[in-house]
Amino acid sequence: DTGVSQDPRHKITKRGQNVTFRCDPISEHNRLYWYRQTLGQGPEFLTYFQNEAQLEKSRLLSDRFSAERPKGSFSTLEIQRTEQGDSAMYLCASSPDRNQPQHFGDGTRLSIL
Amino acid sequence: AQSVSQHNHHVILSEAASLELGCNYSYGGTVNLFWYVQYPGQHLQLLLKYFSGDPLVKGIKGFEAEFIKSKFSFNLRKPSVQWSDTAEYFCAVTPSGNTGKLIFGQGTTLQVKP
Repeated sequence: DTGVSQDPRHKITKRGQNVTFRCDPISEHNRLYWYRQTLGQGPEFLTYFQNEAQLEKSRLLSDRFSAERPKGSFSTLEIQRTEQGDSAMYLCASSPDRNQPQHFGDGTRLSIL
Repeated sequence: AQSVSQHNHHVILSEAASLELGCNYSYGGTVNLFWYVQYPGQHLQLLLKYFSGDPLVKGIKGFEAEFIKSKFSFNLRKPSVQWSDTAEYFCAVTPSGNTGKLIFGQGTTLQVKP
């Protein structure tokens, strides 16, 4: 079990720039989730994939956010025209089915200058 | 709206003290319940889970939790904490029948003094 892998670990960018994060789930986990965590809060759900299909998106996911999972394996989360409020830890999790716990990655910490 | 409430934001205990962290959720249907832990510098890890059956659930490292349906609660307990239990603890809920997304509480930071 190699765990959920996220890249990069840290991203610092200027406001207005686009950023993209990658998540590699545990092999054969067909469910993949993205969450966002700000300081002093628990993670908040952003979006969910079952294989390559994006089946749910949170209202938190504005038009500037887009996520893909093209081949049902790794996933990317892109934020366009970043804003100060996007500064957070972005977490990825995967599970083999809905009755199994989710396994989390280390997260990507985004800082907007 | 579905929500999870953790009663304590920051708890400080001495080693060997007993621990109880409160968690309440607002959802009327069937739920799956979880406690996750995040040790300093590490990723979220599952402590224990409740799906069905015995409402007293035992997890790793001597932790346990009790599901009380009538109180919408899932409190975490440990009889005797250790310095190594210093971490942030998150209660989470997955309403049955949905995508499996987790709804987290705001977390409790536990500091154990040696």
